[in-house]
Amino acid sequence: QVHLVQSGAEVKKSGASVKVSCKASGYTFTAYYIQWVRQAPGQGLEWMGWINTDSGDIKYAQTFRGRVTMTRDTSISTAYMELNRLTSDDTAVYYCARSSPLDYWGQGTLVTVSS
Amino acid sequence: QSVLTQPPSVSTAPGQKVTISCSGSSSNIGIHYVSWYQHLPGTAPKLLIYDDNKRPSGIPDRFSGSKSGTSATLGITGLQTGDEADYYCGVWDSSLSAEVFGGGTKLTVL
Repeated sequence: QVHLVQSGAEVKKSGASVKVSCKASGYTFTAYYIQWVRQAPGQGLEWMGWINTDSGDIKYAQTFRGRVTMTRDTSISTAYMELNRLTSDDTAVYYCARSSPLDYWGQGTLVTVSS
Repeated sequence: QSVLTQPPSVSTAPGQKVTISCSGSSSNIGIHYVSWYQHLPGTAPKLLIYDDNKRPSGIPDRFSGSKSGTSATLGITGLQTGDEADYYCGVWDSSLSAEVFGGGTKLTVL
């Protein structure tokens, strides 16, 4: 069956970067996009962008453009999301999800940014 | 402030039914398919409805989706305490070139 397994929780200082991985199994990795969504404490879901796992094409949400980089390694069926210049507002649970629609989700990665 | 508008909370008794609305615009709900997600604290969101009204395998027919114009609705019948969760609508927005979500609706089954 389909699984998306994300890397573990991270604690970062303001100004640092974080890279979250999302390893897919149970399906052909390059047949589906991977999208990234985050949820800050007490907030709703916020879309960050997607990556075409076949071509590598990307689409970022305007909010994150210039700070986020999404990549993938097809040899190990893994997608990555790197967010730079972290602030406390970036403290959130980050999810990867297969799309579309967002039918399978990773378990989430808590990123805590402290000053 | 979310592009899609949902009521912050709804509550009802076990066994009853509830509807959750999602109001958008001509650049999102009006022209694209809507999905609905159930999110329990500490877990990954789960897809309940896609393409406005389709259920993935394993989702019981107690859950239903509909759409009219620029609004969509999630319906849940035979409510159970296990249905207590946050529910989100999601859709592509052509003007923003972004996936957008509603602010979420907290369902309480009293």
